[in-house]
Amino acid sequence: GAVVSQHPSWVICKSGTSVKIECRSLDFQATTMFWYRQFPKQSLMLMATSNEGSKATYEQGVEKDKFLINHASLTLSTLTVTSAHPEDSSFYICSARDWGEGRETQYFGPGTRLLVL
Amino acid sequence: DQQVKQNSPSLSVQEGRISILNCDYTNSMFDYFLWYKKYPAEGPTFLISISSIKDKNEDGRFTVFLNKSAKHLSLHIVPSQPGDSAVYFCAASGGNQFYFGTGTSLTVIP
Repeated sequence: GAVVSQHPSWVICKSGTSVKIECRSLDFQATTMFWYRQFPKQSLMLMATSNEGSKATYEQGVEKDKFLINHASLTLSTLTVTSAHPEDSSFYICSARDWGEGRETQYFGPGTRLLVL
Repeated sequence: DQQVKQNSPSLSVQEGRISILNCDYTNSMFDYFLWYKKYPAEGPTFLISISSIKDKNEDGRFTVFLNKSAKHLSLHIVPSQPGDSAVYFCAASGGNQFYFGTGTSLTVIP
């Protein structure tokens, strides 16, 4: 299957700082990438849909000014958590669409663990 | 509103036996369904998918069954192995967006 990478895998930061997470599709081009958040023992929560060359589409309740998304190329989307606070500590996962089995399938990155002190 | 539901948060199965994970959906426009497997602190891994034109898709030890009239799909793992212990998410798509269930934690007991 297609490979999606995320960097960094782990980040610890102080409250008030900004953190950038990268999501890359390694062996395919992705016009659409997705950003999810997962709290412990909970399901994946879709935060936003990242579209190459245009503005991201945010889900209800997700602050677009706090979670900045940039999809500058067909293989890279970035999520920047601005002025991070302890409640932003979570597991952030990106995914990218690729064709498989004749239909688009989402392939997920390995996730980024963010801890805000 | 949860459009994709996995009503069993956990399941324990003896090694070698069959594991059956269930998923229900509410939107009849969904026409593509997927199962993902997730280990702690890792991203979900795509397992198997099925289109609404089929009622069964098999890949090795994994088989997905789709019952469109009941809006129900299931994942069968046989024989179950300890390495299958993970959280399994089902997902459904009817267009641009994928909707995920809340996951079922499978424990395969050696």
